[in-house]
Formats: sequence, structure tokens, C-alpha cells
Amino acid sequence: DAGVIQSPRHEVTEMGQEVTLRCKPISGHDYLFWYRQTMMRGLELLIYFNNNVPIDDSGMPEDRFSAKMPNASFSTLKIQPSEPRDSAVYFCASSYQSGTWGVTQYFGPGTRLLVL
Amino acid sequence: KNQVEQSPQSLIILEGKNCTLQCNYTVSPFSNLRWYKQDTGRGPVSLTIMTFSENTKSNGRYTATLDADTKQSSLHITASQLSDSASYICVVKYKSQGNLIFGKGTKLSVKP
Repeated sequence: DAGVIQSPRHEVTEMGQEVTLRCKPISGHDYLFWYRQTMMRGLELLIYFNNNVPIDDSGMPEDRFSAKMPNASFSTLKIQPSEPRDSAVYFCASSYQSGTWGVTQYFGPGTRLLVL
Repeated sequence: KNQVEQSPQSLIILEGKNCTLQCNYTVSPFSNLRWYKQDTGRGPVSLTIMTFSENTKSNGRYTATLDADTKQSSLHITASQLSDSASYICVVKYKSQGNLIFGKGTKLSVKP
């Protein structure tokens, strides 16, 4: 298995532009997570899906952020308009049966976003 | 407030030496605790998951301990190798279906 796939790996954009991050989870996994990591705040959960349905989006910082999962093999995280403080590494992770205590989340390589 | 605190923030050791990383949490009710290893420029990789009933769990040269009474966990690395250089993140899951609370990690550097 190729693992969790994210694209692009790096993104540099100007303030005000729309940014779309993409994720392909591991086949067969029914949970998908979006995280943001910064030096100051560490890893933060933004939103997670179960069977393509958003379950908890309380970590989404504001209305500029939106996430979709149109099917079991694809998800997007969109920032519109982007701001410099959105600069971070965004990780996508997937797992099978997240509610089970022993389940591991598998992380993608991340997208490093820089907003100028 | 549910929090996970890790110490030290960073650590430098010589190859072959042992080290112990600490994790204190205030998460309640507690479901499980995980240790992740994150190499520079990569996503975190799970090392171990422990429930409240488990005191010790090993994964090769990594041994995690958990004291659910004092809400403390440690990750002990034996005979360190250069490839152990990474950030180690402690993650606590609260409730049975709840979210994960992440520590900010300990950055370990193993020098030859």
C-alpha cells in the first residue's frame, strides 16, 4: 500500500489567494483526519470524517477553512482567503474504526504551506 | 482543561546512550495514550498505544510506561542510534470516542 498520499508537498502563495490541499487515504480506512502543525502550537486536529461524513469540525480555526470528502478515496482542505498566519504543515491521516482504543492513525507526509 | 505536557523540550545525547522522555497529562476521562515518532519533514509514526490498565509496553528499543494514577508516562530509549533523532510526541485520547490531545513533543538529537 502506498500509504496516505498528500498533494502538493509544498505550496507557496500570496495572502488572499485560495489554497486547496488534497489527500488520498489508505484504501479501506473509514476515518480521515486533517491536522495542522506549527512550532508554536504543535499538532492540532482540524476536522475528521467517518465514512465521508464530517463528524467534528470544532478544530477548524475559522470560516476561511473548509473541508470536504466527496468519496472514500479523496478529501480536500481549502483555505479562502489565505493569510500569513495559516503558514504551517498540514497533515492528513487515516485509520480504520477510530473509536477502537487500539487503532493507529497513519499520517501522510504533509503539505508545507507558506503564505506570503 | 485537558492538556498534555512533555519534557524536556529538546535533548541531545551521544549514540549508544539511554534516555527517557516524560509526558504528563491532565486529560480526563482518559482512554489511551500514544507515543509517536516524527522524523524531520515527515508525518508522525505510531510507536505504541497504551490503555489505563497497561503499565509497560515495549517496541524494540523503545519502552513506554504509564502511571494512570499520577497521569504520567515516559518513553525510554535504550542504546540510542543516530536514526532515533526525531521529535517524540505524546498523545492522549480522552473519552471512548473523543479527540486526541497532542503534546508539543520532545526533540531528540543523537550525536555520534
